[in-house]
Amino acid sequence: SAVISQKPSRDICQRGTSLTIQCQVDSQVTMMFWYRQQPGQSLTLIATANQGSEATYESGFVIDKFPISRPNLTFSTLTVSNLSPEDSSIYLCSVEEGGWDTEAFFGQGTRLTVV
Amino acid sequence: QKEVEQNSGPLSVPEGAIASLNCTYSDRGSQSFFWYRQYSGKSPELIMSIYSNGDKEDGRFTAQLNKASQYVSLLIRDSQPSDSATYLCAVNEGAGGTSYGKLTFGQGTILTVHP
Repeated sequence: SAVISQKPSRDICQRGTSLTIQCQVDSQVTMMFWYRQQPGQSLTLIATANQGSEATYESGFVIDKFPISRPNLTFSTLTVSNLSPEDSSIYLCSVEEGGWDTEAFFGQGTRLTVV
Repeated sequence: QKEVEQNSGPLSVPEGAIASLNCTYSDRGSQSFFWYRQYSGKSPELIMSIYSNGDKEDGRFTAQLNKASQYVSLLIRDSQPSDSATYLCAVNEGAGGTSYGKLTFGQGTILTVHP
């Protein structure tokens, strides 16, 4: 499977600031996905990032709060803006691989704590 | 609202026993089903995917899918303490070229295998 690298692995940020998370894949992929995992919870899809077009956001997530860039087929960034303690979560980048029977794989995640 | 429900945990089994994890989903159009294992502080790791009704075996793991009952399960035979983790059921409606990486996750079942 593709090797997915996320940076930073963790960060502590002040409320009101922003954090940009980077996701690098070692092969070209069409779709990249960003998930959030709140403490003790499961994963929720934030948005789908497709190269060359605007990201598609899921219900409850907006571009102003979670701007996403996808400049090429191996890289994406997620910014979490105007941080509040409620944004403290793990943010995960994911890519899909395969043909008909495609599977999704995750980066190691970014643990964000907002103080 | 697509929903994925997993049997409530935590689940505790003795070493060597069979662990049975269950998942139901609400979207009858779902086509792809996945089980992820997540160790504490780590990102989800794909352990099984299943797309057709019936059983799929991979080593000690067997996934079972019944689309008529909208039910998918994971059996872990000869459970080991190293299997202790949270198991996440994930569902995607994708088929035939649609995005498989866009997943809806269950809330997870914590499995503990005790020696």
